Amino acid sequence: EAGVAQSPRYKIIEKRQSVAFWCNPISGHATLYWYQQILGQGPKLLIQFQNNGVVDDSQLPKDRFSAERLKGVDSTLKIQPAKLEDSAVYLCASASLRGTGNTIYFGEGSWLTVV
Amino acid sequence: GQSLEQPSEVTAVEGAIVQINCTYQTSGFYGLSWYQQHDGGAPTFLSYNALDGLEETGRFSSFLSRSDSYGYLLLQELQMKDSASYFCAVTSGGKLIFGQGTELSVKP
Repeated sequence: EAGVAQSPRYKIIEKRQSVAFWCNPISGHATLYWYQQILGQGPKLLIQFQNNGVVDDSQLPKDRFSAERLKGVDSTLKIQPAKLEDSAVYLCASASLRGTGNTIYFGEGSWLTVV
Repeated sequence: GQSLEQPSEVTAVEGAIVQINCTYQTSGFYGLSWYQQHDGGAPTFLSYNALDGLEETGRFSSFLSRSDSYGYLLLQELQMKDSASYFCAVTSGGKLIFGQGTELSVKP
């Protein structure tokens, strides 16, 4: 079974520029998550989708971050304009069940450095 | 809101047993999970407890006490490859919320 695919793996941009990350979850997984992980900290949930609907985006900085999952499969997370504090790993994860604590599967992450 | 507390780092020797504790405060609690993350890698699932008691999976065991809002991960027969960060995470209100992680260093 193919895992969660993310791209690009690494990105370096200047502050105020924009960046987009792509995620393809495990086939059949209805739930998709985007987490932000700053070095030395735990993953912080940015947004959670169930199929193509948003379940939770309470911690998404909506003035600069946006995410979509138009067809209920793959997803894109965009940052515009980027700030220095956005430097982090952006982890996409997927799960087949919502809210039950069943395993969620993470991708390898997209490492963002804002300079 | 939700909060999780776990030690920031733990050091142990190869072959030993180590316990990583996690206390949490949350509403709408469903269960407690544990994830392992090696440097530069993705978090990977280790265990999940929805009910009180001990769950054992090979060298790893996880415990939950819902009344105490407390759980722990027990790692036995430590190996060098167990050096990693370990995160507890609560399932609450349909979300999975992670703690700050415990960095485990296993020494020879």
